[in-house]
Amino acid sequence: KAGVTQTPRYLIKTRGQQVTLSCSPISGHRSVSWYQQTPGQGLQFLFEYFSETQRNKGNFPGRFSGRQFSNSRSEMNVSTLELGDSALYLCASSGRQDTGELFFGEGSRLTVL
Amino acid sequence: AQSVTQLDSQVPVFEEAPVELRCNYSSSVSVYLFWYVQYPNQGLQLLLKYLSGSTLVESINGFEAEFNKSQTSFHLRKPSVHISDTAEYFCAVSDRGSTLGRLYFGRGTQLTVWP
Repeated sequence: KAGVTQTPRYLIKTRGQQVTLSCSPISGHRSVSWYQQTPGQGLQFLFEYFSETQRNKGNFPGRFSGRQFSNSRSEMNVSTLELGDSALYLCASSGRQDTGELFFGEGSRLTVL
Repeated sequence: AQSVTQLDSQVPVFEEAPVELRCNYSSSVSVYLFWYVQYPNQGLQLLLKYLSGSTLVESINGFEAEFNKSQTSFHLRKPSVHISDTAEYFCAVSDRGSTLGRLYFGRGTQLTVWP
C-alpha cells in the first residue's frame, strides 16, 4: 500500500500570501488529520476530517482552514500568512476510529519570509 | 485534557549502550499510548503502540515500552543502540474510544548515538 502523500514538500511564501497544501491518505483510510510542527510549540493538532466533515478542530485562528473531498484527499489552506506560520505541516490518515493510530506523511515545510 | 511529558529533551549515548526515553502522561480517561520516531526532514513513523493486553510491547527493531498504569508512564527502552537509532522520539496518547484523529504529543526527545 502506498503511504500518505503530501505535496508540495517544500515551499516559500511571503507575509500576506496564502498557501494550499495537499494530502492523499492511505487507500481506504477515511480520516485525515493535520498537525503543525514547530521548534517552539512542538506538534499541535489543527483539525480532522472524516467523510468530508470536519469532526475535530484544534486551537488555531480562522486563517487556517481545510477540507476533504469525496475520495478522502484533503487540503489545508492558510490565508494571510504570518512569519510564525513557518512550520512543518504534517498530514496523517487513519483507518481505525477507535484507537487513534495515525500514519503520517513526510510533511510540507512552509517558510514564510 | 491529556498532557504528555517527555522528561528528557536530549539523550546522548554511545553505540551499543542501553537507553531509556521517559514518558509520563496525565489523563482523566483511559488512553492508548504510542511512540513515534522522526528522522531529519521526514514525517513521523509509528514505532510501537499499546492498545490493550500485555503491558510490554515491542517493535521490530529492538525497542520496547512498558505501560505502567499506576505511574502513568510509558517509557521506551532499547538494550543496545545503534548509530542509526539517532532520531527524535515522540510519545503520544489518544482518548480510548473517542479519538477523532487527535493525538496528544510530548515535546520529543532527541536521541543521539555516538560511535
